[in-house]
Amino acid sequence: DQQVKQNSPSLSVQEGRISILNCDYTNSMFDYFLWYKKYPAEGPTFLISISSIKDKNEDGRFTVFLNKSAKHLSLHIVPSQPGDSAVYFCAASSLQAAQKLVFGQGTRLTINP
Amino acid sequence: KAGVTQTPRYLIKTRGQQVTLSCSPISGHRSVSWYQQTPGQGLQFLFEYFSETQRNKGNFPGRFSGRQFSNSRSEMNVSTLELGDSALYLCASSFGFRTGGEKLFFGSGTQLSVL
Repeated sequence: DQQVKQNSPSLSVQEGRISILNCDYTNSMFDYFLWYKKYPAEGPTFLISISSIKDKNEDGRFTVFLNKSAKHLSLHIVPSQPGDSAVYFCAASSLQAAQKLVFGQGTRLTINP
Repeated sequence: KAGVTQTPRYLIKTRGQQVTLSCSPISGHRSVSWYQQTPGQGLQFLFEYFSETQRNKGNFPGRFSGRQFSNSRSEMNVSTLELGDSALYLCASSFGFRTGGEKLFFGSGTQLSVL
């Protein structure tokens, strides 16, 4: 039973354009949603998070949108840069277990010059 | 500021053996979490230690265990290794707040191969 799902294993975007990565979840009890980026041979790196009581959070080129009624969130990267090429993981957690992240399967983003 | 350090980087074991992995968190962090990453199951939470106590646990068999020392360093142990235990084991550290959305800092992982 996968509580967090990323249905697109890969995404290819042209440099300078917008990258949109999607994530769906099934558990309504999640309090926070997070995005991590992972390069090969490295551990995941935190990108941005959003509380379940908000619908948008922005940090520089990264914006996360949350649609609670649809149990859907998305990460927008504008403009996309070659260094953004990596695997992106969506994750969720509860307040009681903030360090217990439930991860999606990841989406490999490739930015083409 | 030094990051999260995991040792060893690579490990090869045979079925039935046991293995111990080590994690040194960022200075000042009191929470250490362990995750297993496999191609089939993705990233899965093993357990979290905070101030030397296991605070959260994932759905793994009892062969997987861990501990945390007074300096916040942590070890995880896998006994009676099975082929399916081959994976990248990641350690993450944080302050351990229960306010939600806390940033976890991950190490580069230990790649375990069971033959």
